[in-house]
Amino acid sequence: SQQGEEDPQALSIQEGENATMNCSYKTSINNLQWYRQNSGRGLVHLILIRSNEREKHSGRLRVTLDTSKKSSSLLITASRAADTASYFCATDLWTGNQFYFGTGTSLTVIP
Amino acid sequence: EAQVTQNPRYLITVTGKKLTVTCSQNMNHEYMSWYRQDPGLGLRQIYYSMNVEVTDKGDVPEGYKVSRKEKRNFPLILESPSPNQTSLYFCASSLGQGSFILFFGDGTRLSIL
Repeated sequence: SQQGEEDPQALSIQEGENATMNCSYKTSINNLQWYRQNSGRGLVHLILIRSNEREKHSGRLRVTLDTSKKSSSLLITASRAADTASYFCATDLWTGNQFYFGTGTSLTVIP
Repeated sequence: EAQVTQNPRYLITVTGKKLTVTCSQNMNHEYMSWYRQDPGLGLRQIYYSMNVEVTDKGDVPEGYKVSRKEKRNFPLILESPSPNQTSLYFCASSLGQGSFILFFGDGTRLSIL
């Protein structure tokens, strides 16, 4: 299966600190995305990085992609209590019709 | 407001009693899909549809059916539910045509006794 894995499974930090979570996947990809899931809600898209990109920024989010290692990282800078959520990476292949989600990282930001 | 709407949000039922979870999107998206979310397993794709009357299996299609008769609707059908289908289900849609960003509904929690 292409399904990815996030690391760590759970992360607890103080407000204002940076949070880094990692995603590894198994086969060549077209795009990699990060999604956020608040408790009891659906997933919300955060950022997409294409396979030919190495780094992308969006507000307090920074995503890197290393296709040689088949891994990505998501950095959230200056975290806030409202960032408390689960974060998932998702990959798609060149056909663009199937998406493979990782197992998620549960982030808790302590005020 | 652009959204993906799933119904019901919660359902407790018994083994073997056919059920349908509805999914509707108001964004004129071509692509729709269903996922189940289980602890420790993340989200796994059940079925997807690239457009009206075009559906295909995802990674875990056994025990499920779908149909796409209209662009906005993509119901998930469990003809004979079993306890191992107890899960949190999500419907998602995407514009398609090279856009890969998924918009999710708020989920349906199914318990099958």
